[in-house]
Amino acid sequence: DTEVTQTPKHLVMGMTNKKSLKCEQHMGHRAMYWYKQKAKKPPELMFVYSYEKLSINESVPSRFSPECPNSSLLNLHLHALQPEDSALYLCASSQGRGSYNEQFFGPGTRLTVL
Amino acid sequence: GDSVTQMEGPVTLSEEAFLTINCTYTATGYPSLFWYVQYPGEGLQLLLKATKADDKGSNKGFEATYRKETTSFHLEKGSVQVSDSAVYFCALSNNNAGNMLTFGGGTRLMVKP
Repeated sequence: DTEVTQTPKHLVMGMTNKKSLKCEQHMGHRAMYWYKQKAKKPPELMFVYSYEKLSINESVPSRFSPECPNSSLLNLHLHALQPEDSALYLCASSQGRGSYNEQFFGPGTRLTVL
Repeated sequence: GDSVTQMEGPVTLSEEAFLTINCTYTATGYPSLFWYVQYPGEGLQLLLKATKADDKGSNKGFEATYRKETTSFHLEKGSVQVSDSAVYFCALSNNNAGNMLTFGGGTRLMVKP
């Protein structure tokens, strides 16, 4: 299995809602990532988990809350989002944190905040 | 800090034309270099990679050579197809920068029949 899966594919939420994005990989990778991608832009790193511990938080607002319940799963909890948070949210994983380790990306969750 | 610069798109080609997408980088040390492709409505897929100088990455007819002397990693394909229409991202990963991916701005390729 060389896939990273993400659910849901699409999500529409109001500014007062609480929702969660889910990411799963079964490649035995020990590093997992959340990215945000706006239209016509490259992905921007949000969080990095290494061996299930948060190792990088790129100054992301607290309305985004990551969680890594085990080595295969990564969640992103959303609360009180703003319309400008509408974007494609991508999850990725890699075998480790070495520079030669390519990251495998999921198909993304298209989030719309009304 | 590290940076990646790609030619701006869109690049519009006819089917079977030769493709070059330029990519240059600025980084200390010895980064690894990657090309990712993003088809409409999808996530990023790794197209090819090179981890040291003079390495050539290749996949699906695409090639790129890691040129340390010119700090470049240009993407080439001899004969493009309509199905190659996508956005292409050049990226680097550097031990000196926490091994995070630094992306170029992306280049949209449109191939017409």
